[in-house]
Amino acid sequence: NAGVTQTPKFQVLKTGQSMTLQCAQDMNHEYMSWYRQDPGMGLRLIHYSVGAGITDQGEVPNGYNVSRSTTEDFPLRLLSAAPSQTSVYFCASKGTRGYSTDTQYFGPGTRLTVL
Amino acid sequence: DAKTTQPPSMDCAEGRAANLPCNHSTISGNEYVYWYRQIHSQGPQYIIHGLKNNETNEMASLIITEDRKSSTLILPHATLRDTAVYYCIVRPPRSNTGKLIFGQGTTLQVKP
Repeated sequence: NAGVTQTPKFQVLKTGQSMTLQCAQDMNHEYMSWYRQDPGMGLRLIHYSVGAGITDQGEVPNGYNVSRSTTEDFPLRLLSAAPSQTSVYFCASKGTRGYSTDTQYFGPGTRLTVL
Repeated sequence: DAKTTQPPSMDCAEGRAANLPCNHSTISGNEYVYWYRQIHSQGPQYIIHGLKNNETNEMASLIITEDRKSSTLILPHATLRDTAVYYCIVRPPRSNTGKLIFGQGTTLQVKP
């Protein structure tokens, strides 16, 4: 299993540009989520999904859109990038059905700079 | 989710045991204690979790006090690659939101 993969690893955008951060997992996990991590700070939840076709907002959703058309993929879209979105973005997944605990698996991250 | 308190930083000599404490005095009866770590520039990595009993896996041991108000993560033979920020998180089972609240954690520096 590749686990959780994210692309690209690095990205530089200009203010106002749009882009999609890709996240995929091959563990058949129902739950997937996106976090952002700013320097010296903990991770903050942006959006999450409990299954294909179902998404919900986390604590910092503004400026980001998500969709979940398949179990494997959970892309994060920035429609009009702003310098405040400069951050490291992590995708995570976990199983839900049949699982009694809450172990989550994280991707390697995408480092985004918005100029 | 119950709040946790960890020391901001700790040092450990290479080859020695690293003991990382965590206080969670408001933990509820059905909440688990999880430990994750984040090595510089990498995604967080799950280490271990427990409810009441002490737990051990290939990475670490978790000691939970009888009253469950605190716990200790033990890395039995720390190596330089164990230098990371360690997060103690308390969560109920099967949480639908899946939101992990990462506090400031403990920065463990393993020194040669």
